Amino acid sequence: GIQVEQSPPDLILQEGANSTLRCNFSDSVNNLQWFHQNPWGQLINLFYIPSGTKQNGRLSATTVATERYSLLYISSSQTTDSGVYFCAARRGGQNFVFGPGTRLSVLP
Amino acid sequence: EAGVAQSPRYKIIEKRQSVAFWCNPISGHATLYWYQQILGQGPKLLIQFQNNGVVDDSQLPKDRFSAERLKGVDSTLKIQPAKLEDSAVYLCASSLVDRNNEQFFGPGTRLTVL
Repeated sequence: GIQVEQSPPDLILQEGANSTLRCNFSDSVNNLQWFHQNPWGQLINLFYIPSGTKQNGRLSATTVATERYSLLYISSSQTTDSGVYFCAARRGGQNFVFGPGTRLSVLP
Repeated sequence: EAGVAQSPRYKIIEKRQSVAFWCNPISGHATLYWYQQILGQGPKLLIQFQNNGVVDDSQLPKDRFSAERLKGVDSTLKIQPAKLEDSAVYLCASSLVDRNNEQFFGPGTRLTVL
């Protein structure tokens, strides 16, 4: 099945800084989602983005399907952005596969 | 629109005991998923339902885990008997019938097996 990798595994930022999180996948996908898992464990949908670019406030995401990667941009980070960011991908009729996550800590 | 509901939120049991988790998906979502998330890892799919039929249960440890979705709405996941390694967060998600559609997750049930 598809393999999903994420980098970096850990990231520490000062409040107000910008960051880029990367998700690589091993094969073409027809579904890719980014999630934020908050400190209470809730998975929050950020983007459904199998291709192209989307923006939502301080967050934006780009998926380049032909090159098998997706990027999540966080601008002007806030302490509430802390948590684990997961990307998850699905190929064809296969199951949804999650990456290992990027743990983000935003310091005040 | 109400989100995915799960209960209980926390459960502590002794090994070899049984436990059950409940999930109510978003209204109109025909597809329902159960995931297991072990600390420090990403969620892993256990079973997927479409309406009340099983689409994929290839990663469900069937000797101890079972799941059902009667009437194509609510679902229960059961573990009997529990082992120490079952300690994890159990997440329920739902999506529209199209397999490419977005998944939406519930708050999860944190299980501790002592």
